[in-house]
Amino acid sequence: GQNIDQPTEMTATEGAIVQINCTYQTSGFNGLFWYQQHAGEAPTFLSYNVLDGLEEKGRFSSFLSRSKGYSYLLLKELQMKDSASYLCAPLDSWGKLQFGAGTQVVVTP
Amino acid sequence: ETGVTQTPRHLVMGMTNKKSLKCEQHLGHNAMYWYKQSAKKPLELMFVYSLEERVENNSVPSRFSPECPNSSHLFLHLHTLQPEDSALYLCASSQDQGTNTEAFFGQGTRLTVV
Repeated sequence: GQNIDQPTEMTATEGAIVQINCTYQTSGFNGLFWYQQHAGEAPTFLSYNVLDGLEEKGRFSSFLSRSKGYSYLLLKELQMKDSASYLCAPLDSWGKLQFGAGTQVVVTP
Repeated sequence: ETGVTQTPRHLVMGMTNKKSLKCEQHLGHNAMYWYKQSAKKPLELMFVYSLEERVENNSVPSRFSPECPNSSHLFLHLHTLQPEDSALYLCASSQDQGTNTEAFFGQGTRLTVV
């Protein structure tokens, strides 16, 4: 079966850094996506990792360790608009994209 | 604007009604998906279509019936729903099914069953 764990909520202040951890167990593995979802809106793509290591994209970075079944999303220089839910989504070997319940990030002034 | 359009955005229906949700993409993608998102729960994959053929049906009750008439359109037909079916229904598409290409999501249909 599939098991994806990420914290329910995290709070941080503007300008700070927040790291959202995700552990997963899937039937095979074909990469891991991170999506951002603002309330009432569609999830939007942030990053994709398939090899171990860190992928940096502006203020957002994503890290993957396949042997540990672990990924994190790092948000730097937080802005108010970063308040949203962040979804960890591993792709299993059958091509099924499974989603975690999401981490609600609250950015305070 | 993600390129995936869903209608209606909001729907209230009785348990005896029949309604349909519509999804449209003009991104040239070959795979389309229906997801259900309930409050405080993970996105649940319901159906997957690849090149207009259903390749996945995740034990979804028969009161949900998908239809994919062509590669650009996907429907979800609803009948005799239950109150627990109230949720946000999201459509998504990707270049191909099961690859490392990102999925693009529509804005969703907020369904309330009364």
